[in-house]
Amino acid sequence: DTAVSQTPKYLVTQMGNDKSIKCEQNLGHDTMYWYKQDSKKFLKIMFSYNNKELIINETVPNRFSPKSPDKAHLNLHINSLELGDSAVYFCASSQAWGSGANVLTFGAGSRLTVL
Amino acid sequence: GQNIDQPTEMTATEGAIVQINCTYQTSGFNGLFWYQQHAGEAPTFLSYNVLDGLEEKGRFSSFLSRSKGYSYLLLKELQMKDSASYLCAVSDSNYQLIWGAGTKLIIKP
Repeated sequence: DTAVSQTPKYLVTQMGNDKSIKCEQNLGHDTMYWYKQDSKKFLKIMFSYNNKELIINETVPNRFSPKSPDKAHLNLHINSLELGDSAVYFCASSQAWGSGANVLTFGAGSRLTVL
Repeated sequence: GQNIDQPTEMTATEGAIVQINCTYQTSGFNGLFWYQQHAGEAPTFLSYNVLDGLEEKGRFSSFLSRSKGYSYLLLKELQMKDSASYLCAVSDSNYQLIWGAGTKLIIKP
């Protein structure tokens, strides 16, 4: 049983297209995240939701829009894709927000390639 | 600004011991994490330190000195499967995780 699952695992698309990545967790966690990992392997937080409410919204282009229909799901929609959007996008979840010992469980990642 | 520093790459021999250092400067401190990430896979949790001292977990140990803004991850009896990137992350005063760029550990036979 996969704890945090995200689809698709691979996504190859043309510049200018719109695409979505879906994420679901079955851990009963309250908080979910989207991270971007670029070619230099640096993990950068994009968004975080706690019980469906947006709590972290880092400096990310407006082309990126998260949606959390319930606390088990956090989807990421990207409009007008650009070459620089090519990266691995990780979804993660944690038990709660506001705790130091907040261990993240990551999904397997979605590798986005924009041509 | 907030900053996490760790070496970019380290090489060690199978069966040996390696220490991966991490220094940090953050706005507040609510704990330090180490994650392991194999190539092409997701990061997985290794350890969490919030008090000074050494935490041992099998072949892996993690040390923290809050006064020095310093941590290390110690890996003993290295195995080939330990070849991975090791990410240091600090939870700041707002409980946001600040990540280092990771240390790529290469294990040679």
